[in-house]
This record gives sequence, structure tokens and C-alpha cells, in this order.
Amino acid sequence: QQQVKQSPQSLIVQKGGISIINCAYENTAFDYFPWYQQFPGKGPALLIAIRPDVSEKKEGRFTISFNKSAKQFSLHIMDSQPGDSATYFCAASMSDLFGNEKLTFGTGTRLTIIP
Amino acid sequence: DARVTQTPRHKVTEMGQEVTMRCQPILGHNTVFWYRQTMMQGLELLAYFRNRAPLDDSGMPKDRFSAEMPDATLATLKIQPSEPRDSAVYFCASGFRRDRDAGELFFGEGSRLTVL
Repeated sequence: QQQVKQSPQSLIVQKGGISIINCAYENTAFDYFPWYQQFPGKGPALLIAIRPDVSEKKEGRFTISFNKSAKQFSLHIMDSQPGDSATYFCAASMSDLFGNEKLTFGTGTRLTIIP
Repeated sequence: DARVTQTPRHKVTEMGQEVTMRCQPILGHNTVFWYRQTMMQGLELLAYFRNRAPLDDSGMPKDRFSAEMPDATLATLKIQPSEPRDSAVYFCASGFRRDRDAGELFFGEGSRLTVL
């Protein structure tokens, strides 16, 4: 069962444009929604994260928009740069009884920024 | 520069052989996760530990996979016997839950396994 659905699978954006990646989740118990960035040959690294008590979080050129009623969240990359070319994963987690976080990842979006 | 260290980075083996992957989590972290990444399935959680105790290994094929933390500085993932369908990149990640600031996982660079 895929609990986090991510789209698109791949995305090509011109330099300076806005990149938008969308995710939808099913489990209303999820309470933490991070985005990870992965470069070839490397492990994923946390980019930005949000909790459902806010609808938007911005860090530099990266913004998460969160719609709790629709169970959707998205990543916006403003002024996209060639260095942003990577695979992006959305994820979701919930705290279990022991306070641990188990991340469930989306399937990833390969973003390519062209000059 | 604290980071998660995984060995080996690359492993090619034949079907039926035993494979052991090792992970050194970041000092002070109390959670360790094993993920498997493939093109078809993406990132799948195999197992995770908190304070060295296994909390969830429901994503792991029990008949051939095993995960352990012999001490706080070492986590292992063993496959015996290996099969071609186990070919993937295996990631170890560590973290530390700190009230509402939980959730950031620090990933290693992965162990790329090819089973012929």
C-alpha cells in the first residue's frame, strides 16, 4: 500500500523558473512532512520539513505548502538553478508509542534544470 | 564533520552467498534505520532501532534478512542467502528524537549491492 503518492515522476524546468512537486497522503495520523534531496551517488538529505499546524513554510528559495483537508503538500523551488537538479522525495511520518519517527517516502521526482 | 559511514560502498556477489553490510551511525544518535532503494520500489524501510533495540523490522524478508546492533557504534544488515532480486542500494540512516524537533534522518552514502 502506497501511503504517499508523489508526482510528477520527472520534471524539466528552465533556469530561473519555478519547480513544483506534489505529494498526497492517505493516513491522517501522519504529523510530520519532510522533503529530502538526493544527488547521484549520495544518500538523501533533509531539505525542508513542515508539521500540519501550519499551512506554509519557507526557507530561502524552497517553500512547502500544506493542505490538511485535502491531505496534500507540495514543494516549490523558486528561481530554480542548475545546482537544484536532483531527485526529490517527499515523506511522511507519525510518532509511535515510543516517540520514534518512521519515514514513509514518496517515489521521487527527478528534477532537471536547464539553462 | 559528523556523518553516517557505510561499508562496503559496492558489493558484487553471486546468488546464494552471504552479504553483510555495516553502518556506523553518528555519535550520540539513538535511532538507526535501514532503507533499500530500487528504481521500481523507491525507498523502502527495512528495519529500525532505538537505543539499539529493534523496534520494527516488518519491511524486511525474515527468511533471509537480519538486522542487528551489536553496540551503539555499529549496525549490521545481513542477507543469507542472497538472491538477484536483492540487488539495490541499501542506506543506513541515524537520528535523534528531540521532542517536536524529531524527524531529521542523516543518511549514509549507501551500499550498492549487485547479486548475479
